[in-house]
Amino acid sequence: AQSVTQLDSQVPVFEEAPVELRCNYSSSVSVYLFWYVQYPNQGLQLLLKYLSGSTLVKGINGFEAEFNKSQTSFHLRKPSVHISDTAEYFCAVSEGGSYIPTFGRGTSLIVHP
Amino acid sequence: KAGVTQTPRYLIKTRGQQVTLSCSPISGHRSVSWYQQTPGQGLQFLFEYFSETQRNKGNFPGRFSGRQFSNSRSEMNVSTLELGDSALYLCASRDGDDNQPQHFGDGTRLSIL
Repeated sequence: AQSVTQLDSQVPVFEEAPVELRCNYSSSVSVYLFWYVQYPNQGLQLLLKYLSGSTLVKGINGFEAEFNKSQTSFHLRKPSVHISDTAEYFCAVSEGGSYIPTFGRGTSLIVHP
Repeated sequence: KAGVTQTPRYLIKTRGQQVTLSCSPISGHRSVSWYQQTPGQGLQFLFEYFSETQRNKGNFPGRFSGRQFSNSRSEMNVSTLELGDSALYLCASRDGDDNQPQHFGDGTRLSIL
């Protein structure tokens, strides 16, 4: 069965600094990978997805993620964060043939001025 | 296209009561999933409906039930409410394929007094 580990529960960073949010998964089959963002009092919004092809995936709001099959990781990065990026970020994994993705526990990104 | 709509946004109930939450998926989406989100447990999968049939089920007691109508709208019912049922309940829809991301509503915040 698949599992998802988001290694950091909270990541504080200063505005305009780069950030990386880490996600590792365990699965023995091919996977589909997603990153979502959740702002206060809202649902989850899709940032980006990896289905196949290029391992570097670009998403909305300047975020990108790289799929590393050998390390079973899908880390999210942004070269320069803004105050408005403060939110909760969730990594999710779906195995081929499984209709239900598994979500990580989330990483709270806190951007300080 | 309109997004996923959940009603009501906020709800206050007392222990022992029952509650029904509603979700209207994105037009054309036949899969609707429900999640419970709490600070302690994160995102937990409740169940998924596809074409009016429950396709997957999480590890929740029988007090939690759901259904889907022919127009893909879904309802979730919780009977004999407990204090621990206080949570944000999220609904997500997609077109049914396991490699497609879910689209989330803004949730219903349920508070049990």
